[in-house]
Amino acid sequence: NAGVMQNPRHLVRRRGQEARLRCSPMKGHSHVYWYRQLPEEGLKFMVYLQKENIIDESGMPKERFSAEFPKEGPSILRIQQVVRGDSAAYFCASSPLGTEAYEQYFGPGTRLTVT
Amino acid sequence: GENVEQHPSTLSVQEGDSAVIKCTYSDSASNYFPWYKQELGKRPQLIIDIRSNVGEKKDQRIAVTLNKTAKHFSLHITETQPEDSAVYFCAAGGRYSTLTFGKGTMLLVSP
Repeated sequence: NAGVMQNPRHLVRRRGQEARLRCSPMKGHSHVYWYRQLPEEGLKFMVYLQKENIIDESGMPKERFSAEFPKEGPSILRIQQVVRGDSAAYFCASSPLGTEAYEQYFGPGTRLTVT
Repeated sequence: GENVEQHPSTLSVQEGDSAVIKCTYSDSASNYFPWYKQELGKRPQLIIDIRSNVGEKKDQRIAVTLNKTAKHFSLHITETQPEDSAVYFCAAGGRYSTLTFGKGTMLLVSP
């Protein structure tokens, strides 16, 4: 019973490069959420997706950031032209359908370092 | 949007004491309140949650209380142990299941 998977666990990018973060939800979960955590801070909601649909992207920066959850394969958070301020831990979480939809289970995170 | 305030930011207790962490929220439409424990370098783990139709919920040494009128909820840990040391986050959920998190409380339990 695999939990939420994220890869890579650590990612180093130079300023101006692109970062791609992947998230595979728990089996049976069809809701994916992305959060960003800066050092010694809480988790900030970025985007909520279901398969092939973005439901809520109110927490996403307007530029350089995008997310998708295709019919097949993992959800991907993409950051173009990274800057030092993008350095953070990015966590995804998944939840099941139905009345338990609010329970979110987190992956191990991707720690992005921009040099 | 929703705003969640969490206090205290750090809490030091002796092993065996109780620990209480408090959160307030602003959006009266929020109806789901989970608590997460995060150890250093690890993922946040859901430890207990409460929905707005319930006032209190217990699970062994952990309990959560909710006061919807005052818009606050609290985490209570009894008989604390060193392995309880971690950062604890409260959150409030409502629209589209998205969660708004507090800034966290670093709990240190000394043996």
